[in-house]
Amino acid sequence: QKEVEQDPGPLSVPEGAIVSLNCTYSNSAFQYFMWYRQYSRKGPELLMYTYSSGNKEDGRFTAQVDKSSKYISLFIRDSQPSDSATYLCAMSVAAGNKLTFGGGTRVLVKP
Amino acid sequence: EAQVTQNPRYLITVTGKKLTVTCSQNMNHEYMSWYRQDPGLGLRQIYYSMNVEVTDKGDVPEGYKVSRKEKRNFPLILESPSPNQTSLYFCASCFNRGGGYTFGSGTRLTVV
Repeated sequence: QKEVEQDPGPLSVPEGAIVSLNCTYSNSAFQYFMWYRQYSRKGPELLMYTYSSGNKEDGRFTAQVDKSSKYISLFIRDSQPSDSATYLCAMSVAAGNKLTFGGGTRVLVKP
Repeated sequence: EAQVTQNPRYLITVTGKKLTVTCSQNMNHEYMSWYRQDPGLGLRQIYYSMNVEVTDKGDVPEGYKVSRKEKRNFPLILESPSPNQTSLYFCASCFNRGGGYTFGSGTRLTVV
């Protein structure tokens, strides 16, 4: 079983809908949680960075971390076709430490 | 512009011919790392460096070498490339206090 599990999708939603993404993990030592967006043939781009449990909001993006359940989420409000990409969750034990990635969820936002 | 720069972006080479993929960052980051991305396997860490002259193996270091002689540069060396090293490679960097890694645009390597 993988250390970080993520549904590969694809997740198809109409423009304007809320996109809901999540990851589960098994290593209780993870303390830093990230979401990256990756367009085809591009490098991953950091969207959200959180430490420990709680919520964080940045514009249309909200990240949630529930360490007790070993579950993290990313919500994208008012989704746009430009949000169509692969979304990767990543986590680490310490700041700057090795990132362990989920496999990525492909998201398609249809106009 | 703050960025991680990798070169080359695309490379086709033959088995056994030594090659180097360069990586440079302009953000004064202490940590640098190399990842490879393969279908079905995701992103996996090859090597990482916590600062100048400090490097360590990641999850898949076999067949690779790195060096960190300057803070801004972290080249990836394949002494004798083999077809199973055909992959998409990413260099990344971050501060030692965290904040998330910044990734380069990637190097697509094909070994024939």
